[in-house]
Amino acid sequence: EADIYQTPRYLVIGTGKKITLECSQTMGHDKMYWYQQDPGMELHLIHYSYGVNSTEKGDLSSESTVSRIRTEHFPLTLESARPSHTSQYLCASSEVGGQHIQYFGAGTRLSVL
Amino acid sequence: KNQVEQSPQSLIILEGKNCTLQCNYTVSPFSNLRWYKQDTGRGPVSLTIMTFSENTKSNGRYTATLDADTKQSSLHITASQLSDSASYICVVVDRGSTLGRLYFGRGTQLTVWP
Repeated sequence: EADIYQTPRYLVIGTGKKITLECSQTMGHDKMYWYQQDPGMELHLIHYSYGVNSTEKGDLSSESTVSRIRTEHFPLTLESARPSHTSQYLCASSEVGGQHIQYFGAGTRLSVL
Repeated sequence: KNQVEQSPQSLIILEGKNCTLQCNYTVSPFSNLRWYKQDTGRGPVSLTIMTFSENTKSNGRYTATLDADTKQSSLHITASQLSDSASYICVVVDRGSTLGRLYFGRGTQLTVWP
């Protein structure tokens, strides 16, 4: 079992609210990632980070933002949640180099009403 | 266009039976191919990783094969158990990317019935 944790596991929130999805890993990995996954669909990369103070946008455009102030912490924020943001959000981390093995958290299932 | 295609989309088998899941990809240049198992409501967990030079790799009852020439992979599950019910995702890593960009298939949803 990988040491990467996401909270909350489930979140139901109203439109317009600001939310932050937490992701922490204790493996000392420099690279971290956020994916979005809809039911029955593939994972889409929305943000990634090479290390502290590094953040990049992924393949799928997202209104969310991320920050990387500490190596172990990579939170994702939505300033104003909308129903279109309803999805599962998965966080992952990997070492630099090697086979880029990514270890995933359990995910946060977000529902915006 | 998704560069990783998996089949079948879903599969139901009886406990104890074997099954084979397919993955075709067009990702190039190719670094490695992985099979992940994703339980409902959980994050994916790596089952096998295969590089260009590997044809077969086993992990317990899971055996993955790779044909880099035809860009095809399969995951064979032997003597299925109820706990094998999950989505199995084929993931291909792009060798040309310093990020180690992953391309995900949509997964095969396997259900094992008692």
